[in-house]
Amino acid sequence: DTGVSQDPRHKITKRGQNVTFRCDPISEHNRLYWYRQTLGQGPEFLTYFQNEAQLEKSRLLSDRFSAERPKGSFSTLEIQRTEQGDSAMYLCASLVGGAYNEQFFGPGTRLTVL
Amino acid sequence: AQTVTQSQPEMSVQEAETVTLSCTYDTSESDYYLFWYKQPPSRQMILVIRQEAYKQQNATENRFSVNFQKAAKSFSLKISDSQLGDAAMYFCAYRSATTSGTYKYIFGTGTRLKVLA
Repeated sequence: DTGVSQDPRHKITKRGQNVTFRCDPISEHNRLYWYRQTLGQGPEFLTYFQNEAQLEKSRLLSDRFSAERPKGSFSTLEIQRTEQGDSAMYLCASLVGGAYNEQFFGPGTRLTVL
Repeated sequence: AQTVTQSQPEMSVQEAETVTLSCTYDTSESDYYLFWYKQPPSRQMILVIRQEAYKQQNATENRFSVNFQKAAKSFSLKISDSQLGDAAMYFCAYRSATTSGTYKYIFGTGTRLKVLA
């Protein structure tokens, strides 16, 4: 296992289109996070999964965003009807055990909405 | 709501010298965790060092150490003997430790560290 992977690495789409990103965490990691990072900012929390259960979702997240982790392994993040303001880097991170443990981040998916 | 503030957008340090990155946070909780993460250019974010709030002893990891001042809500990162590979964005992060609290990590806006040869 070489770490957290994300696919695609880059996505260019037109405003109004739907996009879906995938995250494959480290295999034994039961906790998974999605973040959004814009230029000059730190990662902003989007949502959290423990196994297959989505336990927390940012109040800033609009209804156009949805995430799943159907079997407690990989996760998908879908953005419907994309807007230019959705352009950002989308990061996935996974960890096992308690909150003090290290989050392992993926390389991110860079989304550009034209 | 908790907040994390990094007031230094950019810092420079000469190779082999020491640099300190600042981080302050605001919380009403007494039990929490603090982290420093490093994000090299075009590479994945990695954990540098972490601190449990109930531990008074400052964490150290090789050339990296923290100055944790709980009363002042300050959590600075000191990098000793700076190396060219230390050049990166550094993010301070906060996580509640309470079992009934939120699961989210709160990150600061980051400090870009430049290491001069």
